[in-house]
Amino acid sequence: GQQVMQIPQYQHVQEGEDFTTYCNSSTTLSNIQWYKQRPGGHPVFLIQLVKSGEVKKQKRLTFQFGEAKKNSSLHITATQTTDVGTYFCAGLGSSNTGKLIFGQGTTLQVKP
Amino acid sequence: GAVVSQHPSWVICKSGTSVKIECRSLDFQATTMFWYRQFPKQSLMLMATSNEGSKATYEQGVEKDKFLINHASLTLSTLTVTSAHPEDSSFYICSASTGKWNQPQHFGDGTRLSIL
Repeated sequence: GQQVMQIPQYQHVQEGEDFTTYCNSSTTLSNIQWYKQRPGGHPVFLIQLVKSGEVKKQKRLTFQFGEAKKNSSLHITATQTTDVGTYFCAGLGSSNTGKLIFGQGTTLQVKP
Repeated sequence: GAVVSQHPSWVICKSGTSVKIECRSLDFQATTMFWYRQFPKQSLMLMATSNEGSKATYEQGVEKDKFLINHASLTLSTLTVTSAHPEDSSFYICSASTGKWNQPQHFGDGTRLSIL
């Protein structure tokens, strides 16, 4: 079945350092969505990428969607302690069910 | 906007009890809602897709008779864990989209279920 792989599983950085998490899908995706889950919380929608090669920015966060629409990345510049949490990518397949296939998530720890 | 309310937040009960979890879209109508299960430090596992006015679609390996889903209206879906056992202890989260199938999902706060 369709799978979305996400690496790394964990990342510890010093505050101010950059951070990147990567996602790869086994199949072409209609779109890819990114969510952030704080410890003890629920996933919160960050962004959606639809077009091949699309790049979107939200302040210090940069999201990319690959040309083949099978991979994506999230890059955080100059991390802050408020960036702590688990970042999930979620791929939407070609069917019209709305089902998302979540990656395993990358848990980011930021040392002040 | 796009607020999803999930209740209760915490449930602790004895083995054999049935537990009902409610998921409500407060400021939009949700034709489709999704139920996930999340184990500690793991990803979200889709259990079923809840469709208003029709039967839920369950993922492979999810017992339909164990996890009963009812989507009675455009703003309410319920998940009932029947005859719960300790292995059913988990974090259950619902989500809903505001419109078309390819729109982002908005998640409830989740329900932490502990079966003694």
